[in-house]
Amino acid sequence: DAGVIQSPRHEVTEMGQEVTLRCKPISGHDYLFWYRQTMMRGLELLIYFNNNVPIDDSGMPEDRFSAKMPNASFSTLKIQPSEPRDSAVYFCASAINPFLAGVGEQFFGPGTRLTVL
Amino acid sequence: GENVEQHPSTLSVQEGDSAVIKCTYSDSASNYFPWYKQELGKRPQLIIDIRSNVGEKKDQRIAVTLNKTAKHFSLHITETQPEDSAVYFCAAPIKAAGNKLTFGGGTRVLVKP
Repeated sequence: DAGVIQSPRHEVTEMGQEVTLRCKPISGHDYLFWYRQTMMRGLELLIYFNNNVPIDDSGMPEDRFSAKMPNASFSTLKIQPSEPRDSAVYFCASAINPFLAGVGEQFFGPGTRLTVL
Repeated sequence: GENVEQHPSTLSVQEGDSAVIKCTYSDSASNYFPWYKQELGKRPQLIIDIRSNVGEKKDQRIAVTLNKTAKHFSLHITETQPEDSAVYFCAAPIKAAGNKLTFGGGTRVLVKP
């Protein structure tokens, strides 16, 4: 397996534009997570899915952020409209079961570095 | 509040010395405690984890200890090497947060040659 795949790796956009980040989890992993990482706030969980269903989106900062998982092999995180304070590295991760030792490991993708000018 | 607190935020050690990072958690029901390492510009990766029914776990130069009564767990790195330089994150599932795996704020470890 190639691991968790994210695209694009880098995105530079202007304030007000729509940004779509993409993620392909590891096959067979039932959980998918979207994280945001900044120096100021560290690693923040935005939303996670179990079997394609959003379970907890309480970390999504505001209505400008939305996430979907139309099938087991694809998820998107959309920001519309984007703002400079959204600049961060966005990680996608997948896991078999993050609440159980032995199968709890979250496998992170390489991240998308987003810069909003 | 319900969270995971990690200390110190930065740690500088001489090569060959030991490094210890401590995390405290608030939810007594937490039962799984992983540690992730993130090298500069790279993704976090699991280095070791421990279940709540185990007090200590060791993997070569890395060990994790858990004190359930005091609700804290620690990462120990012995004989540190320059490649141990990274940011380390602890995590624990917090029920009040929907049983989400909540990460500590991270510890930046610098191993000086």
